[in-house]
Amino acid sequence: QVQLVQSGAEVKKPGSSVKVSCKASGGTFSSYTISWVRQAPGQGLEWMGRIIPILGIANYAQKFQGRVTITADKSTSTAYMELSSLRSEDTAVYYCASSGYSYGYEDYWGQGTLVTVSS
Amino acid sequence: SYELTQPPSVSVSPGQTARITCSGDALPKKYPYWYQQKSGQAPVLVIYEDSKRPSGIPERFSGSSSGTMATLTISGAQVEDEADYYCYSTDSSGLGVFGGGTKLTVL
Repeated sequence: QVQLVQSGAEVKKPGSSVKVSCKASGGTFSSYTISWVRQAPGQGLEWMGRIIPILGIANYAQKFQGRVTITADKSTSTAYMELSSLRSEDTAVYYCASSGYSYGYEDYWGQGTLVTVSS
Repeated sequence: SYELTQPPSVSVSPGQTARITCSGDALPKKYPYWYQQKSGQAPVLVIYEDSKRPSGIPERFSGSSSGTMATLTISGAQVEDEADYYCYSTDSSGLGVFGGGTKLTVL
């Protein structure tokens, strides 16, 4: 059973950057896909991008290209999502999710990290 | 950009069958997935690869697809199934996309 624990809530100024971490324990990290999804207050889920740690290659939604960087540290089983040039519309709960095949298909989510962008 | 379209809301009485649809041009070639999200909680996968049910998901949840439309069916919906449901798939480039979500009311 994989457990994903994310870093704590952040309050950021417009124009700054935020880096959210997602530490995995209890299962496969490197060969699973780590995705980042956000949810603005009262809104739906929005896919931001993904990385497969064993490959180290990230893919990003077009909307976030140039502003988001997803990385993974296999040695600590931790994934990171950094979003730059923050604006008020980036205020949201940011989730990491780990998915892949073991004995069956598995899908785990972190608890979410609230990022508030406010002057 | 690629979009998945869901109805904003569906309402059923307890014990009835709820059907939530998701339409997208790439669905004939890309698997749909379905997530359940209850208020204040992280999403939970209820259907993957069109019609497969993860371990621990009740049998009343099923998925199907026909052409550009995927359907999540909850047979004999229960009060505890009340939640927001999101379909997820990928576009032709393999990038992820969520539908806008459907609020299921069971009362």
